[in-house]
Amino acid sequence: NAGVTQTPKFRILKIGQSMTLQCTQDMNHNYMYWYRQDPGMGLKLIYYSVGAGITDKGEVPNGYNVSRSTTEDFPLRLELAAPSQTSVYFCASSSGHLYEQYFGPGTRLTVT
Amino acid sequence: AQSVTQLGSHVSVSEGALVLLRCNYSSSVPPYLFWYVQYPNQGLQLLLKYTSAATLVKGINGFEAEFKKSETSFHLTKPSAHMSDAAEYFCAVSEGPGEGNKLVFGAGTILRVKS
Repeated sequence: NAGVTQTPKFRILKIGQSMTLQCTQDMNHNYMYWYRQDPGMGLKLIYYSVGAGITDKGEVPNGYNVSRSTTEDFPLRLELAAPSQTSVYFCASSSGHLYEQYFGPGTRLTVT
Repeated sequence: AQSVTQLGSHVSVSEGALVLLRCNYSSSVPPYLFWYVQYPNQGLQLLLKYTSAATLVKGINGFEAEFKKSETSFHLTKPSAHMSDAAEYFCAVSEGPGEGNKLVFGAGTILRVKS
């Protein structure tokens, strides 16, 4: 099994551009999550999903959107990139059992 | 709401010395607690988890953690540090059922191992 995969690994955006970060898991997990990681701040939850067709906001959702049309995929959309969105983004999934989450390798995004 | 405090953003130990990384939590429900490790330019990997079965939890790579309810702590230890342990470590607490199985993470502790 590949686990949780994310693409791209790196991306540089100009201010105002848009892009989609892709996340796919092959473990048939119902729960999926998007986090951003900034130095010294730990991980902050952006959005999460408890199943296909169901999404909800996390702690820092402004400037982002998500969709969950299938169990496997949970893309994160940035509509109007801003320098404050420069960060490392992690996708994670969970079966819900004992709350353990499995993480992807991350996407490093720079907005200039 | 649940929260996690990790004392010390940076910890430095000599190779072979005891590793102690501190984590305190607050939770309104019986907590599920986790330690994750992040090596440079990689995602997070689960080290160990407390799920109320036993207060002393053993994880991978020789790490263990003890759940102390009276102190609301879940400190991570390893008797003898190895150079390969240099990484960032995150403590996390579950939000509990009905909250999307979300985790709340601490700010992280960077462990440096000196030769």
